Amino acid sequence: AQSVAQPEDQVNVAEGNPLTVKCTYSVSGNPYLFWYVQYPNRGLQFLLKYITGDNLVKGSYGFEAEFNKSQTSFHLKKPSALVSDSALYFCAVRDTRDNYGQNFVFGPGTRLSVLP
Amino acid sequence: DTEVTQTPKHLVMGMTNKKSLKCEQHMGHRAMYWYKQKAKKPPELMFVYSYEKLSINESVPSRFSPECPNSSLLNLHLHALQPEDSALYLCASSQGSGDHSYNEQFFGPGTRLTVL
Repeated sequence: AQSVAQPEDQVNVAEGNPLTVKCTYSVSGNPYLFWYVQYPNRGLQFLLKYITGDNLVKGSYGFEAEFNKSQTSFHLKKPSALVSDSALYFCAVRDTRDNYGQNFVFGPGTRLSVLP
Repeated sequence: DTEVTQTPKHLVMGMTNKKSLKCEQHMGHRAMYWYKQKAKKPPELMFVYSYEKLSINESVPSRFSPECPNSSLLNLHLHALQPEDSALYLCASSQGSGDHSYNEQFFGPGTRLTVL
């Protein structure tokens, strides 16, 4: 069975500084990895995904993530944080061996606060 | 149209009421999902429809009854709910199913349900 860990409940960063939101995963096969962001009282918005190929994935709003197979990690990064990036971030994984191919497993979420 | 819409935005109901949540997408997606999300927690998968057939039911109580009238619509019928069922109910859709497990899900804004 697949699982996802986000080791930090809360990340605080000053505006203009780089940000990192951490994610590690466990799957029996190969992973498909996703990052979503959720603003208060809203649905989840897709940011980026890793399927195969280049380990550095670029996504929406200047976010990127690096897939590291040896460390089973998929950390989300942004070179310069904005106050408007403050939100709840979820990492999710699908196992390529998942026969249904439909079931995301979400991490517990990390609340990002960008301070002006 | 890259949007998933959900109605109503808010719903307050008593434990003896019957109500329905509605979800619609016009992206041609063939997989649709219902999730339940408690505050500051990740979404929990409830049901998955693939090509208008129920493919996953995550042991959800029978007081929740999903329905997929056609490929664009997904309903969630509610009856005799409990106060602990109060949550944000999210609908999502994605292209394909099965081998298309790398497809991201698109989420609606959710229905905030309060059971009195």
